[in-house]
Amino acid sequence: GAVVSQHPSWVICKSGTSVKIECRSLDFQATTMFWYRQFPKQSLMLMATSNEGSKATYEQGVEKDKFLINHASLTLSTLTVTSAHPEDSSFYICSARDWGFGGNQPQHFGDGTRLSIL
Amino acid sequence: AQSVSQHNHHVILSEAASLELGCNYSYGGTVNLFWYVQYPGQHLQLLLKYFSGDPLVKGIKGFEAEFIKSKFSFNLRKPSVQWSDTAEYFCAVNARGSQGNLIFGKGTKLSVKP
Repeated sequence: GAVVSQHPSWVICKSGTSVKIECRSLDFQATTMFWYRQFPKQSLMLMATSNEGSKATYEQGVEKDKFLINHASLTLSTLTVTSAHPEDSSFYICSARDWGFGGNQPQHFGDGTRLSIL
Repeated sequence: AQSVSQHNHHVILSEAASLELGCNYSYGGTVNLFWYVQYPGQHLQLLLKYFSGDPLVKGIKGFEAEFIKSKFSFNLRKPSVQWSDTAEYFCAVNARGSQGNLIFGKGTKLSVKP
């Protein structure tokens, strides 16, 4: 089955540090990847849609300069949380759509990254 | 704006009990509907999906869901739950023809007592 690898799974760092999270589709090509954020006991909230070779589309209220997204290849998207602060602590999840068989394909999710900013 | 509502935050059942988790969505156009499951310590996995056709959809592990268009609902059911069904269940929708970005409900935690 389709596998999405997300790395790192857990990161703890000091306030002001920038953190990069990688999302890779291991056995399929993903022209579109999605980044979600999940707060405790709440649902996944879409942050941005990442398209290979073009700029990401950010949801309302998400700071594009704060959360930098790069989708440089068909198998890799990265999310960089710049100058992270404690309020950025959260669970970040990526997903990827297998576009190989046409549209409307379900998304495959990574394991998520627990980000803790001290 | 699209939204998804899951009625139950936490459901506790004994093994062999029947399960029904409610999901209602709000959207003016045509949608695709999904149920995802997240077992403890694991990533989200697709249980089942509805795009078109028969509104009764069968998924993995004995789960099924019925799309009732007039009620904007997509409830998840299983006739007899097992302890291994303990997990969090998320209903999600996306707009037909969109890039596929999902709108999730808040999730329902299911605890099955052995």
